Amino acid sequence: QLQLQESGPGLVKPSETLSLTCTVSGGSISSSNYYWGWIRQPPGKGLEWIGSIYYSGSTYYNPSLKSRVTISEDTSKNQFSLKLSSVTAADTAVYYCARRRDCSGGSCYHYFDSWGQGTLVTVSS
Amino acid sequence: QTVVTQEPSFSVSPGGTVTLTCGLSSGSVSTSYYPSWYQQTPGQAPRTLIYSTNTRSSGVPDRFSGSILGNKAALTITGAQADDESDYYCVLYMGSGISVFGTGTKVTVL
Repeated sequence: QLQLQESGPGLVKPSETLSLTCTVSGGSISSSNYYWGWIRQPPGKGLEWIGSIYYSGSTYYNPSLKSRVTISEDTSKNQFSLKLSSVTAADTAVYYCARRRDCSGGSCYHYFDSWGQGTLVTVSS
Repeated sequence: QTVVTQEPSFSVSPGGTVTLTCGLSSGSVSTSYYPSWYQQTPGQAPRTLIYSTNTRSSGVPDRFSGSILGNKAALTITGAQADDESDYYCVLYMGSGISVFGTGTKVTVL
């Protein structure tokens, strides 16, 4: 069974870079037909897609965050990571990693089929 | 910036039926946006309910169904139960690797 687990600092200072890692077990991030990505949810608010990385290494970002976001992968560790630069209090949120199913067998799906449990990151001095 | 709109809240009686919708700030939602739906209870990660407009994810009860109604995607709960009280989010795939979450609907069962 696929499992995703977020890890990283729970507290980040304003203007610094938020860094999180998602460790995947029960499946390989090198598998074709899947995107691996990040979604966040500020306290009391809705979900926001941050970006995704395809198994090929191609990256896709939310246009509103694109200038500050980098998603990368380490296939040797079966992990992918998020870096969000120049953070402010508005970046305080629960951050989820998730897998998005792409196209396979002539059909396309484009939905999030597996989620991590989420990790709270607070931006504060 | 594309905005995906949902009703802020709905109330439904136990055993009743409620239909949530997912629309675009400009344009119509079609199956080409691969609408999917997620249920989230407080403190928990989202749970996948519906994908590709109307396909139930594994283990999802058949009282949840998805469709296109007019120019929006829709999630219908038929025979609502107490544990259906949750937040519900739709997601639309915009192409070029980009997904957009809806604003979310809070469903109360009472």
